[in-house]
Amino acid sequence: DVVMTQSPLSLPVTLGQPASISCRSSQSLVYSDGNTYLSWFLQRPGQSPRRLIYKVSDRDSGVPDRFSGSGSGTDFTLKISRVEAEDVGIYYCMQGSYWPPITFGQGTRLEIK
Amino acid sequence: EAPLLESGGGLVQPGGSLTLSCAASRFMFSNYAMTWVRQAPGKGLEWVSTIGDNFIADYADSVKGRFTISRDNSKNTLYLQMNSLRAEDTATYYCATQAGLDFWGQGTLVTVSS
Repeated sequence: DVVMTQSPLSLPVTLGQPASISCRSSQSLVYSDGNTYLSWFLQRPGQSPRRLIYKVSDRDSGVPDRFSGSGSGTDFTLKISRVEAEDVGIYYCMQGSYWPPITFGQGTRLEIK
Repeated sequence: EAPLLESGGGLVQPGGSLTLSCAASRFMFSNYAMTWVRQAPGKGLEWVSTIGDNFIADYADSVKGRFTISRDNSKNTLYLQMNSLRAEDTATYYCATQAGLDFWGQGTLVTVSS
């Protein structure tokens, strides 16, 4: 199974400041079709998860452009250019390149300082 | 109306059974793979099962042989039949579209306890 490891697990950020979350996979996520199926999700308090980013860097519809994804191979990053209050929650990375099983990172809790 | 609406959760005794449903709307359900993901209280996300538009299913090792995923395209509904339930199956169960988990339902809570 592909193990996904996120860091940090807790991320206190001042409003308006940038934030960055790292996600590393135990093996390369480049699939045979050339795509890398690495996604990012945000779960706000009391809500279902929502996908923000897919295939490393493609933003889902309605996701603000302050969110960006990058990376390749085994190392990936989610960046928020300027944190807003609505960004509070738990962020998960997920790999769908080599499944079953689909695997998630442990989650990173973003809070406002 | 939300595109995915789960139901069927509740309290069940260890060893018991429960069937979850996920009603889909506003998209061509029959063309989509569908997935169940669960989240134990205070814990992270765990993939449970995916069924393709070709009805081929995959399962996490933790539920294989106990859970069965199915779909009824005439009713735009996804199911998860859960047997031999254990305390560690206690979680909120979400249905989501595709293996890429584009959209999620609001979840339904399953509690396994005597």
